[in-house]
Amino acid sequence: AQSVAQPEDQVNVAEGNPLTVKCTYSVSGNPYLFWYVQYPNRGLQFLLKYITGDNLVKGSYGFEAEFNKSQTSFHLKKPSALVSDSALYFCAVRDRGNNNNDMRFGAGTRLTVKP
Amino acid sequence: DTGVSQDPRHKITKRGQNVTFRCDPISEHNRLYWYRQTLGQGPEFLTYFQNEAQLEKSRLLSDRFSAERPKGSFSTLEIQRTEQGDSAMYLCASRSIRDSYEQYFGPGTRLTVT
Repeated sequence: AQSVAQPEDQVNVAEGNPLTVKCTYSVSGNPYLFWYVQYPNRGLQFLLKYITGDNLVKGSYGFEAEFNKSQTSFHLKKPSALVSDSALYFCAVRDRGNNNNDMRFGAGTRLTVKP
Repeated sequence: DTGVSQDPRHKITKRGQNVTFRCDPISEHNRLYWYRQTLGQGPEFLTYFQNEAQLEKSRLLSDRFSAERPKGSFSTLEIQRTEQGDSAMYLCASRSIRDSYEQYFGPGTRLTVT
């Protein structure tokens, strides 16, 4: 079975400060990991993914995430937050060994960036 | 716009009625997925297609739910005898198994059952 935990329902940061949105996962094998962002009344937009290779992955809008196998984490980071980054962020995992779809999403973290 | 599109964007229906939603995936994406998202939760997988074949269904998909992708392009999701608990956002996503691992999502259809 696979699962994702986003331990924080809400993250508040000031504009210009670094931000971190946390994600931990559980899979029986090796993971594919993803971050998506959702704006109000919109579908999910893909931000970045970890498939293999370099543990630090860079994505859209200046976001990056670091895959940490020992801590089973894939935290989303950005060096300098913008007010426009305020949105709902979802982490997702899929077990690399499964040939099915079963991608599991976390419950989401609402990021608020204050001016 | 070459992204995933869904129709309608909003649907209000009375309990017991049937509803049907449509999803048009990104052209040439052979996999198409349906998810349900309720307030405060992440998307929950319902079912997916590879071309026209429905390969997997979640246990969330009761026998009141049916999905089709008859020609391997657009897909429909039908809910029969709707219940208030069916109120949710229904999301469609697609991907190409040849060149991407990520799924691309449509804007969703928000269903309200009164």
